[in-house]
Amino acid sequence: GNSVTQMEGPVTLSEEAFLTINCTYTATGYPSLFWYVQYPGEGLQLLLKATKADDKGSNKGFEATYRKETTSFHLEKGSVQVSDSAVYFCALITQGGSEKLVFGKGTKLTVNP
Amino acid sequence: NAGVTQTPKFRILKIGQSMTLQCTQDMNHNYMYWYRQDPGMGLKLIYYSVGAGITDKGEVPNGYNVSRSTTEDFPLRLELAAPSQTSVYFCASSLQGTSYEQYFGPGTRLTVT
Repeated sequence: GNSVTQMEGPVTLSEEAFLTINCTYTATGYPSLFWYVQYPGEGLQLLLKATKADDKGSNKGFEATYRKETTSFHLEKGSVQVSDSAVYFCALITQGGSEKLVFGKGTKLTVNP
Repeated sequence: NAGVTQTPKFRILKIGQSMTLQCTQDMNHNYMYWYRQDPGMGLKLIYYSVGAGITDKGEVPNGYNVSRSTTEDFPLRLELAAPSQTSVYFCASSLQGTSYEQYFGPGTRLTVT
């Protein structure tokens, strides 16, 4: 079956530090990959996505590259801000399926000034 | 543009009570979903619907029921509340055939005591 594994949190960084959150997946078929972000007290919102191998998704300074050979989709940001404090979820959906997202467990990021 | 709205925001139930969580979207999306989010466990799909009159079980449907009489509304019914149903519930919607992006509501925090 399909599954997503994220690095365990929580992650605590100082402002302007480099961020990496690891995500690997197992999927039958050829998935599309997503990063969703959940700010405190809110629902999830799409941060970025990639639909085929070697695609790079990017948004708000965050990037992730779809690596089929390592089945990975690691999230990176070169310089985090306090406002990036949130929970980040890696997710996948397989093409031609019933359009059900499979989520990782989430990684909580706290950025201190 | 309201997007996905959920009511109530918070609710405390006694064991054995019933309630309905409301979800409405104004984006004319045909797909709608209900998730529960437990601490450290990511999101689990409860039920989903691919259009009015069509619903199907997700990963954790026991203890819940849904209906979809209109495109806009997708209520989730708890018939006999149990402490194991204490969670945060999110409704989401998406438009098939596009980017598969799901739009989430703000959530309902339910406590069963």
